Amino acid sequence: DSGVTQTPKHLITATGQRVTLRCSPRSGDLSVYWYQQSLDQGLQFLIQYYNGEERAKGNILERFSAQQFPDLHSELNLSSLELGDSALYFCASSVATTTGRGDTQYFGPGTRLTVL
Amino acid sequence: SQQGEEDPQALSIQEGENATMNCSYKTSINNLQWYRQNSGRGLVHLILIRSNEREKHSGRLRVTLDTSKKSSSLLITASRAADTASYFCATERGSGAGGTSYGKLTFGQGTILTVHP
Repeated sequence: DSGVTQTPKHLITATGQRVTLRCSPRSGDLSVYWYQQSLDQGLQFLIQYYNGEERAKGNILERFSAQQFPDLHSELNLSSLELGDSALYFCASSVATTTGRGDTQYFGPGTRLTVL
Repeated sequence: SQQGEEDPQALSIQEGENATMNCSYKTSINNLQWYRQNSGRGLVHLILIRSNEREKHSGRLRVTLDTSKKSSSLLITASRAADTASYFCATERGSGAGGTSYGKLTFGQGTILTVHP
């Protein structure tokens, strides 16, 4: 158990819908990262937050957004869902934003999203 | 695009044998990390090696890093059936003109390791 929790574990929804994935980082971790894992794209970095502020963006679609709240939990919002959005969505956390120290990122169990 | 490329894509061995997986990457890095993923589950961090390190050990794991060749290898000694999983390398890029990488990890496609009892 990494100490990172994600809810829900599974989500089945229809195209065009909007969903919210939730992540609680490990106690004491200030950075939260979101990754998407799909069969065709592999593991892709989406976005990072540090202590409530967005710090880095990756291959995140405009239909997706995220935020980190004062209690440090984070939510990833996916809207206008398409079949291709079906994937495993992982949240990870680390102690601090890195300046090259190489903080270990601890991954949650993931949310499996199925868009029908 | 994926920074790291693992080789081989799949590896099948018998219990007790050693397993070696390789990872190549394209840009300068701050560190390289190896993760394990059991079928469809979360990623488990195995080991982190920094760009100024050449070798690291953790239990039955040995990781090497050759920054001149932009490659790393993960060796699992005396493998067990419980080692069956997918193994990913992930790189954190070095800071360039744009500043620090802020911890963004770029993953390879992974090596699927099967250890037969």
